[in-house]
Amino acid sequence: QQPVQSPQAVILREGEDAVINCSSSKALYSVHWYRQKHGEAPVFLMILLKGGEQKGHEKISASFNEKKQQSSLYLTASQLSYSGTYFCGTEKETSGSRLTFGEGTQLTVNP
Amino acid sequence: GAGVSQSPRYKVAKRGQDVALRCDPISGHVSLFWYQQALGQGPEFLTYFQNEAQLDKSGLPSDRFFAERPEGSVSTLKIQRTQQEDSAVYLCASSFVSTGELFFGEGSRLTVL
Repeated sequence: QQPVQSPQAVILREGEDAVINCSSSKALYSVHWYRQKHGEAPVFLMILLKGGEQKGHEKISASFNEKKQQSSLYLTASQLSYSGTYFCGTEKETSGSRLTFGEGTQLTVNP
Repeated sequence: GAGVSQSPRYKVAKRGQDVALRCDPISGHVSLFWYQQALGQGPEFLTYFQNEAQLDKSGLPSDRFFAERPEGSVSTLKIQRTQQEDSAVYLCASSFVSTGELFFGEGSRLTVL
């Protein structure tokens, strides 16, 4: 079942903060976050694993609430380069390696 | 190559034609995934390979879709007798481990007329 992302779209001014949420009705093993710019490939941001381990390589943080099957992506002091569509991808314990992606959150950062 | 390479980038097919989409993953990446992305939607899982073994094909929408990775590197997604609803971007992704970071290609945009 597809995770639900909110909000669907957000517009920021450079330097402002944003939070993108992702929730699932199923027990999750991990949550992945990707950003996709128009016409380009999705780019990895973060993996959050059940048990609290977090892997990422950008100045973007995230949380994973295992009990609520929810994850949030925190974008602080946004930059113009943060503009794009953010997707969460969820992996269930029984789904093997397949990710189920949400419909995305379109983020626009204006000067 | 430095990244995941997909070809063709754009393909226009007449309804009923067969198409083949190629994916060249990052060298050494064991896992390879195919996703379908409709306009304005998130990627939707199609199939997954670990080396040459197709471990999950549960996302393939019909028996017109077929994927292979015979030597554990390059993969081909074939769609037979294309229909208009097959129009989408087909994304290939590879990773070193099955649950790690996915490296996506830029996709093959298929338009079926």
